[in-house]
Amino acid sequence: DVKVTQSSRYLVKRTGEKVFLECVQDMDHENMFWYRQDPGLGLRLIYFSYDVKMKEKGDIPEGYSVSREKKERFSLILESASTNQTSMYLCASTWGVPTREQYFGPGTRLTVT
Amino acid sequence: KNQVEQSPQSLIILEGKNCTLQCNYTVSPFSNLRWYKQDTGRGPVSLTIMTFSENTKSNGRYTATLDADTKQSSLHITASQLSDSASYICVVSEGGATNKLIFGTGTLLAVQP
Repeated sequence: DVKVTQSSRYLVKRTGEKVFLECVQDMDHENMFWYRQDPGLGLRLIYFSYDVKMKEKGDIPEGYSVSREKKERFSLILESASTNQTSMYLCASTWGVPTREQYFGPGTRLTVT
Repeated sequence: KNQVEQSPQSLIILEGKNCTLQCNYTVSPFSNLRWYKQDTGRGPVSLTIMTFSENTKSNGRYTATLDADTKQSSLHITASQLSDSASYICVVSEGGATNKLIFGTGTLLAVQP
């Protein structure tokens, strides 16, 4: 079974802090994605990566950056957390064509106070 | 603008009853359509995925249909169980070079005893 894990299920940070969200997949997938999910808005793509050291902006990249130093790991970074970044963050991975089925991690519920 | 709309927003049914969730999309070009189940506080899990040429696909008590002409899909749940309580998300993949996923906002289903 494909397994996508995220470093934290729940996280509380203060405004202005630098926040790291980690995602690891164990199926040698090339493609990895970061989404945020907010009530009434569905999932929105923040960043994605097709390969190590590659990154592409999604629909809402402002305030975020990413890092992919190893194939299995994709990190989302909030350089200076703000209250409007309070959300559920979901990582996903897939192989080959990105429109193949994406496998999601359990999510990280981030609260910025 | 490519969009995916789901209805109803929420639904309450009694255990053992059937229900049907709707998904209408305006995505073009179209690659495939998938339904995900998301339990509260968890990541989405794939139920079905259908390409243009498929008009029905089943996964246990879940049956998805696709009418590519009218750009509509439905997810039918038979003999509902308490464990079916979740959010059901319709996702459409753009064809062509973008390979982008367009997410619906989901239908929240509550199955009551």
